[in-house]
Amino acid sequence: QVQLQESGPGLVKPLQTVSLTCTVSGGSITRGPYYWSWIRQPAGKTLEYIGRISTGGRTDYNPSLKSRVTISLDPSKNQFSLQLTSVTAADTAVYYCARDDDSDEKFDSWGQGTLVTVSS
Amino acid sequence: DIQMTQSPSSLSASVGDRVTLTCRASQSIRSYLNWYQQKPGEAPKLLIYRASSLQGGVPSRFSATGSGTDFSLTITSLQPEDFATYYCQQSYSSPRTFGQGTKVDVK
Repeated sequence: QVQLQESGPGLVKPLQTVSLTCTVSGGSITRGPYYWSWIRQPAGKTLEYIGRISTGGRTDYNPSLKSRVTISLDPSKNQFSLQLTSVTAADTAVYYCARDDDSDEKFDSWGQGTLVTVSS
Repeated sequence: DIQMTQSPSSLSASVGDRVTLTCRASQSIRSYLNWYQQKPGEAPKLLIYRASSLQGGVPSRFSATGSGTDFSLTITSLQPEDFATYYCQQSYSSPRTFGQGTKVDVK
């Protein structure tokens, strides 16, 4: 059974770049039919799709964040990553990585989430 | 973006109750609708995909139906572990979008 685990800094200063990594175990990130996704959730609010990357490296980003987001794959480490630039307090949230099963269009496995706080 | 609207935003129920949650899409999403359960401090858990298919390992007291713009999730005989927030999510088009959630709490 695949497992995902997020890692990254818990505190970031405004206008800096936050980088998060998701380590996948129990399966290779290069095997389909999956996309590897990032989703975030501000405290007390609903979930927001950030974007995803296919096993072949094709990306899809939420237009609301597209200018600030990069998602990449590192097959050698079985990891994928999120970079979000020019962060503000509005980016404070729990960030989840998730597997998107492309055959059934569902987020079927999730990491436990990591809190990112943007504050000076 | 496709807007997902859930109702009610919260409901109070007792163990053993039958509860039904609804989700409406701002345009037709065919059957590309998923349901998730989230407990405080935890990641969401997939319950239902493609509008009515039960994810493996999910108890059969969860069922769902719908297509087009109107969908519902039913929990027959609510159990103590079912008190949580439930989200619908459309996978018809990008960006994927979620409803605002329905919180099911103890009456």
